[in-house]
Amino acid sequence: SYVLTQPPSVSVAPGKTARIACGGYNIGRKSVHWYQQKPGQAPVVVVYDDSDRPSGIPERFSGSNSGNTATLTISWVEAGDEADYYCQVWDSSNYHVVFGGGTKLTVL
Amino acid sequence: EVQLVESGGGLVQPGGSLRLSCAASGFTVSNNFMTWVRQPPGKGLEWVSVIYKSGSTFYADSVKGRFTISRHNSKNTLYLQMNSLRAEDTAVYYCARGGAGTANDNWGQGTLVTVSS
Repeated sequence: SYVLTQPPSVSVAPGKTARIACGGYNIGRKSVHWYQQKPGQAPVVVVYDDSDRPSGIPERFSGSNSGNTATLTISWVEAGDEADYYCQVWDSSNYHVVFGGGTKLTVL
Repeated sequence: EVQLVESGGGLVQPGGSLRLSCAASGFTVSNNFMTWVRQPPGKGLEWVSVIYKSGSTFYADSVKGRFTISRHNSKNTLYLQMNSLRAEDTAVYYCARGGAGTANDNWGQGTLVTVSS
């Protein structure tokens, strides 16, 4: 089955740029979605189809996907961005959806 | 406004059954992919099941043969019938619009299922 690998944690100072990686075999050939989840809340999609942003999501959130790594980039990080972030893809070989293990973003 | 409201969670003994409901408003369930995702306490998100617009259904290996996803079109409601429950099924269960290759763009608030004797 398809596996997505994320770093457990990423730390960044306010105003800096955070990059969260999501590794998977030939992930560049798949569409990747990214979710933000704050404690006690349901997940919210922040980037879909590799690099598109839903309405209401700040332009500070962006995504890229190539080769074996997809990346969520958060520019000008704010304290309110502190959350868990998950990548997600659809494995068309078995019609299953796969989540990465999640990355805890800490704003220093 | 799109809204999803789950219900039906609770405490159940190992081997027991539970049916979760997800009432939708602001859109038509049968015109969308609909998904169940769960999250064990303190852990990450785990995809559980999806129902396509066509009615086709797919399940994670961990629940296949025990869980059944369905929908009631006139009630605009999604369901998850869970049988032969195990301790490892303990989690917050979320319903979400979207699935397959499309992002889950709307989520419910979640309902907690605890499997314990």
